[in-house]
Amino acid sequence: QSVLTQPPSVSGAPGQRVTISCTGSSSNLGAGYAVHWYQHLPGAAPKLLIFDNTNRPSGVPDRFSGSKSGSSASLAITGLQAGDEGVYYCQSYDTRLSGSWVFGGGTKLTVL
Amino acid sequence: QGPLVQSRAEVKKPGASVKVSCQISGYTFTNFDVYWVRQAIGQGLEWMGWMNPKSGNTGFAQKFQGRVTMTRNTSTMTAYMELSSLRFDDSAVYYCARGISISCGGSNCRGGWLDPWGQGTLVTV
Repeated sequence: QSVLTQPPSVSGAPGQRVTISCTGSSSNLGAGYAVHWYQHLPGAAPKLLIFDNTNRPSGVPDRFSGSKSGSSASLAITGLQAGDEGVYYCQSYDTRLSGSWVFGGGTKLTVL
Repeated sequence: QGPLVQSRAEVKKPGASVKVSCQISGYTFTNFDVYWVRQAIGQGLEWMGWMNPKSGNTGFAQKFQGRVTMTRNTSTMTAYMELSSLRFDDSAVYYCARGISISCGGSNCRGGWLDPWGQGTLVTV
């Protein structure tokens, strides 16, 4: 059971828009800690997609966007492409257990 | 090769220890904490702990306390993660990553993300 809750899977056709939710609690997102998103493609290392809720690192297309409100956050992907297929994780900091970095369980994105 | 290059895959017997290395290049080693994250087969990402390369201070997930050690060699800019008393369910890909410090002001905090990541080291028990 992950501290941050994500849907196990989402899917969409090429060109469509999908969103992935990330639900936390008062000890992480609700406490004001930022959420970050990673893309994990098969055979590759996780790649930072969004940091500090809404910011894209250099090189990440603007098809990817993030938002956060209270204890919840979401990642939106527009103009879906076959190369977007993979697993997406949200991550934050949690104040319990003397402080720990926590991940969501991951959401498998399938491009139909 | 990226900024964080990890050691090769390892095969270990139950009860043994494994030591994974992570060599840093492209930035000042002592300016950023190094984090370790693992992904067991068919599972999600799991944070294991962090190490401050300047001080050597560490912090571990409760699950791994007593079994994990994180060290560094500042002259070779290499971080190490050693996991002992290996079990079958420790079979996983282990990643190192550079961590950005968290800073808080008012009711919001920024930072805490991991970037870049090493290529991963498969450990099979």
